[in-house]
Amino acid sequence: AQSVTQLDSHVSVSEGTPVLLRCNYSSSYSPSLFWYVQHPNKGLQLLLKYTSAATLVKGINGFEAEFKKSETSFHLTKPSAHMSDAAEYFCVCPPGNTGKLIFGQGTTLQVKP
Amino acid sequence: NAGVTQTPKFQVLKTGQSMTLQCAQDMNHNSMYWYRQDPGMGLRLIYYSASEGTTDKGEVPNGYNVSRLNKREFSLRLESAAPSQTSVYFCASSGGQGLYGYTFGSGTRLTVV
Repeated sequence: AQSVTQLDSHVSVSEGTPVLLRCNYSSSYSPSLFWYVQHPNKGLQLLLKYTSAATLVKGINGFEAEFKKSETSFHLTKPSAHMSDAAEYFCVCPPGNTGKLIFGQGTTLQVKP
Repeated sequence: NAGVTQTPKFQVLKTGQSMTLQCAQDMNHNSMYWYRQDPGMGLRLIYYSASEGTTDKGEVPNGYNVSRLNKREFSLRLESAAPSQTSVYFCASSGGQGLYGYTFGSGTRLTVV
């Protein structure tokens, strides 16, 4: 069965420093994978998606993620954190063709001034 | 703006009361979903509708019912609210069996006292 594991429940960085949010997936085939962001008291917004085209995917707000099949990883990165990046981030996988999403447990990103 | 609209945004119920959460999408998506989000538990699927006229249970369906009224609308009903149903509820929709991501509504914050 497909699953996603977010390796850190909480990440804290200083403004202007790089961001790394880690996600590993388990799947018998190359899946689609997404990163969603949720700002406090808001809904979920799609940051970026991998759908078996280019392995390096660029998203909104300067985020990008690289799909690495050999490592079964899809880590989210950003070169320089901004205060507005403070939010919860979810790595998400749609298993097969059911259309139902599988969510990781989420990573809370704290950005310190 | 195109997207998923949920109503109401906030609701307080007394134990045993009933209510219906409404959701509508204007993107001509076939599939619609109801999730609940609780601290430390991520998003959990309550019910989904893969297409108009069909509904299926998700992970946590007990205490809920749904109606896919037409292609645009998917409602969630609590027949007899319980404090354990205090949560934030999100409706979402997808096309292409979810392989290209979901669009989420802004959520309904429900408190059952």
